[in-house]
Amino acid sequence: KQEVTQIPAALSVPEGENLVLNCSFTDSAIYNLQWFRQDPGKGLTSLLLIQSSQREQTSGRLNASLDKSSGRSTLYIAASQPGDSATYLCAARNQAGTALIFGKGTTLSVSS
Amino acid sequence: DGGITQSPKYLFRKEGQNVTLSCEQNLNHDAMYWYRQDPGQGLRLIYYSQIVNDFQKGDIAEGYSVSREKKESFPLTVTSAQKNPTAFYLCASSIVPGGPTEAFFGQGTRLTVV
Repeated sequence: KQEVTQIPAALSVPEGENLVLNCSFTDSAIYNLQWFRQDPGKGLTSLLLIQSSQREQTSGRLNASLDKSSGRSTLYIAASQPGDSATYLCAARNQAGTALIFGKGTTLSVSS
Repeated sequence: DGGITQSPKYLFRKEGQNVTLSCEQNLNHDAMYWYRQDPGQGLRLIYYSQIVNDFQKGDIAEGYSVSREKKESFPLTVTSAQKNPTAFYLCASSIVPGGPTEAFFGQGTRLTVV
């Protein structure tokens, strides 16, 4: 059964710092992996989707990588800003159409 | 605007009552999902549906029921059999095979037992 783990559970950094959030999964036969952002009391906002055939995806200051062989994905945030403060969740999908399996998230706090 | 609409935003339930959470999407997605989120637990799958008139149980389906009579609608009923229903409920949708299957979420319903 697929399990997704995110470490650390919480992270505090000063504004301007580059940072990496980690996500690991136990079953390397994934269909795709998706990163989300969640603000307190809100729903999830999709950040990046990486298909199993891709190595990375980029959107603005965000870059997500995927290494299926090691069961790892990373979300790189460049030049962090206070507005980046939120919980970041990664989720793996084993087959097309099946449900996403989520990690518990990393709560990021960026101080000005 | 295309998207997923969950209603109500806040819901209060008395002990022994059934309540229904609404989820509507106008993205023409085939698959829809219900998740429950508790503090420190992450998101756990309740039910999902890949096509109209068909749905599958997730990891924590006990005490919940769903229907999928229309492609755009996937309501969730929290029954009196659910012993600890207080949580944040999230609905999602995605395209089934053929597309990138990116999942999109609604803004959630916070259910509280009073």
